[in-house]
Amino acid sequence: EAQVTQNPRYLITVTGKKLTVTCSQNMNHEYMSWYRQDPGLGLRQIYYSMNVEVTDKGDVPEGYKVSRKEKRNFPLILESPSPNQTSLYFCASSLAVTNTEAFFGQGTRLTVV
Amino acid sequence: KQEVTQIPAALSVPEGENLVLNCSFTDSAIYNLQWFRQDPGKGLTSLLLIQSSQREQTSGRLNASLDKSSGRSTLYIAASQPGDSATYLCAVNGDKIIFGKGTRLHILP
Repeated sequence: EAQVTQNPRYLITVTGKKLTVTCSQNMNHEYMSWYRQDPGLGLRQIYYSMNVEVTDKGDVPEGYKVSRKEKRNFPLILESPSPNQTSLYFCASSLAVTNTEAFFGQGTRLTVV
Repeated sequence: KQEVTQIPAALSVPEGENLVLNCSFTDSAIYNLQWFRQDPGKGLTSLLLIQSSQREQTSGRLNASLDKSSGRSTLYIAASQPGDSATYLCAVNGDKIIFGKGTRLHILP
């Protein structure tokens, strides 16, 4: 089944403790991205990747890192999480950035205390 | 900078009614527009994708239209059911995907 898989689905952590949210897709998509969703602000793009080893900042990249060493994986790294990073995170992939359908993971609800 | 607006923010209608959700965008230079459904605290389910060269797409009781020149799209839901209650998001794909803030739909049994 074609899908985007995020792990974990739920995570509670403490301020400053490094964490990684994994994202994997099985559709051989080139384009992958991360979003955060907050009440009243909607979905905002954090980082995106056009292909392996090619990543770039989205609209709200501060406090986040990403890597794209393999085509299928696009982990989101929070080196030193803070409470304002408490949010619902989504990973997405598509064949290309242009005229193709975007597929989303089921989301990761992160709480930083 | 692309801006995507969805009106209304929330909508309640009795079961069985037909309804229209609206999405407007400021930059007509887009590749496609996608409608999603999101249940509370859950992921995004893709409903319909309209390419920039298309005028509409249909899937079951759903019909989405696109008027790129006027920067508008509508999602038409026929014969609404309580199971249609969810938040509906439109996403415009230009050089990146920009989302509207969604319309929270509640179908009254």
